[in-house]
Amino acid sequence: QVQLQESGPGLVRPSQTLHLTCIVSGDSIRTGAYYWSWIRQRPGKGLEWIGNIYYNGNINYNPSLRRRVAISLDTSRNQFSLKVTSVTAADTAIYYCARAQGGVRGVIITATHFDLWGQGTLVTVSA
Amino acid sequence: EIVLTQSPGTLSLSRGERATLSCRASQSVSSFDLAWYQQKAGQAPRLLIYGASSRAIGIPDRFSGSGSGTDFTLTIIRLEPEDSAVYYCHQYGSSPTFGGGTKVEIK
Repeated sequence: QVQLQESGPGLVRPSQTLHLTCIVSGDSIRTGAYYWSWIRQRPGKGLEWIGNIYYNGNINYNPSLRRRVAISLDTSRNQFSLKVTSVTAADTAIYYCARAQGGVRGVIITATHFDLWGQGTLVTVSA
Repeated sequence: EIVLTQSPGTLSLSRGERATLSCRASQSVSSFDLAWYQQKAGQAPRLLIYGASSRAIGIPDRFSGSGSGTDFTLTIIRLEPEDSAVYYCHQYGSSPTFGGGTKVEIK
């Protein structure tokens, strides 16, 4: 049974860098069948896609967050990570890692629907 | 960016009734690129429907999806108390976006 588990600090100071990790168990992160993704949900609000990464290093980011976020893979530990720089209170949210099915579009594989989610981790930005 | 607008904001129905949830896109979305999720209070979202009309594994056939172009619908028949949740649509044809959600309450 494949599971995703987020880990990281629950509190980050304004202007600092938020760093989260998603540990994947039950399957290899190196499979070409999936994109590995980050999604967040501000308190009482809807879902916001942050970005995703493919096993070959292909990365896509939400244009509105591109300047401040970075996603990386650690295949040796079977995990992937999210970094958000210069955080403000607006970055306070539940952060989810998720697995997106890969879909064939022409000659490339793109991310499609999210079929597996972590339980989420609340990150609060506050002094 | 493709904006997804969901309506109504809240749906209050009785057990056994039918719920019809709408998701309207600001520009045309391929039927292959539309999904629906259910999020219960305090939980992560769960995939219900992908490709506009394909049910995910383990999802009962009370849930169905339809639509094309800019108008998509999630239908839940024979509502059960455990269907109380917020439902989100999601397009992944271009930079992924989610709708604002529809809350379904079972009276």
